[in-house]
Parts: sequence; structure tokens; C-alpha cells
Amino acid sequence: EVQLVESGGGLVKPGGSLRLSCAASGFTFSSYSMNWVRQAPGKGLEWVSSISSSSSYIYYADSVKGRFTISRDNAKNSLYLQMNSLRAEDTAVYYCARDRTANDYWGQGTLVTVSS
Amino acid sequence: QLVLTQSPSASASLGASVKLTCTLSSGHSSYAIAWHQQQPEKGPRYLMKLNSDGSHSKGDGIPDRFSGSSSGAERYLTISSLQSEDEADYYCQTWGTGIQVFGTGTKVTVL
Repeated sequence: EVQLVESGGGLVKPGGSLRLSCAASGFTFSSYSMNWVRQAPGKGLEWVSSISSSSSYIYYADSVKGRFTISRDNAKNSLYLQMNSLRAEDTAVYYCARDRTANDYWGQGTLVTVSS
Repeated sequence: QLVLTQSPSASASLGASVKLTCTLSSGHSSYAIAWHQQQPEKGPRYLMKLNSDGSHSKGDGIPDRFSGSSSGAERYLTISSLQSEDEADYYCQTWGTGIQVFGTGTKVTVL
């Protein structure tokens, strides 16, 4: 059974940093591109970042470019999102999702709240 | 610019059918999309990948009541025999080189 479990969310002050993790199991993690998608309270889904299976290709939404860094450790079956210079508008539930195209499996999400 | 357009809401009676529409922006009518369901207070769930020719591949455990079809730049999700648990937000999503795009979602209400 494919499982994606996010962790690392919490309350952080504007300008602060946070690192999210996504633990994957039930599939060959090293064969798949992975994504981060977020959802602000009461809003729709917003793509944040994608990373290819070998980390050769990395992409970011304009809203986070230069502040967020996506990475992965295939030996640990884990995906990460380092978030720096956080802003109030980054407040959202962050989901990790599998596959470069269709996001065919999703985690349950982790809540990030940016507030003073 | 790659954009997906969805109606904000739709409704139908228990046991009836509802057809949701997702429209691709000009110049992108050949793109495949994915449909995702998000029940209240839950994470998204992948329903299917839908190609421009109407062929589709559903996710694990997705009931036959969910089907997809295409016409030009429009992609459709039809839910037949509506159940109470089908009351949810439905998002279409597509992708290009280095980007993913989500529609704004359609809230389905089961009457």
C-alpha cells in the first residue's frame, strides 16, 4: 500500500524557517518524481515545487522561488521542503504527492502557520 | 498561459448524475488532466487521469460511478448514482514542463 506521511509543520514567526518531511512507503520511491502542493485555509490547491526521481530536475512556483528548497533522499525514502523567509501568505496545509504529472497519491498534509 | 477553468458549484439529487467541466486555456486543448476529490476536512484523493481523446485511467479503488470524457478543450467528470459521500470539492489539474496547474475547484452538493 502506497503511503505518504508528512511531518514538520507548526507555528513560525514571519521571516522564520521550517523544514517539512514526507516519508514514503509501499512503492519504489527512487523511481518517481515527487511534488509539494499547498492549500491555504478555505482556498484551493496550489502547486509549490517538484523534483525528479534523481533530483536532476527541480521546479518551483514563482510564489516560493528563492525562498523554498525541495530535496529528497532516496536511501531514506524521504522528500523534504526547506522553507525560509516565511510570510503570512505561506500559511497552508502542505501535501506531498507522487508523480510528475497526475499526483496519483497524496499524503494527509501538515499545517504550517506563519504568524507573530 | 496554462489555465484551467471550473465552475464554482454544482448540485444534484441523491442517486442522480452530475457532470463537471474543466476547460483548458487557448492553445492547450491537447493536454491531459487529472481529477482529484477532496472530501470535507480530508486531503485530496486522485480519481483519474483523462486524455484528450477521452481515454482515462482511474486510481486504485475508484468506483465505476466516476467516469471521464473529453471534447476539444473541455474535460469532464461524470458522477453517476450520486452518494452522500460524493459531496466534496473536485479539482482538475494539468502539467507542463516544470509546472503544475490546478483549477479553482467545483463544490458538489448532494441534495
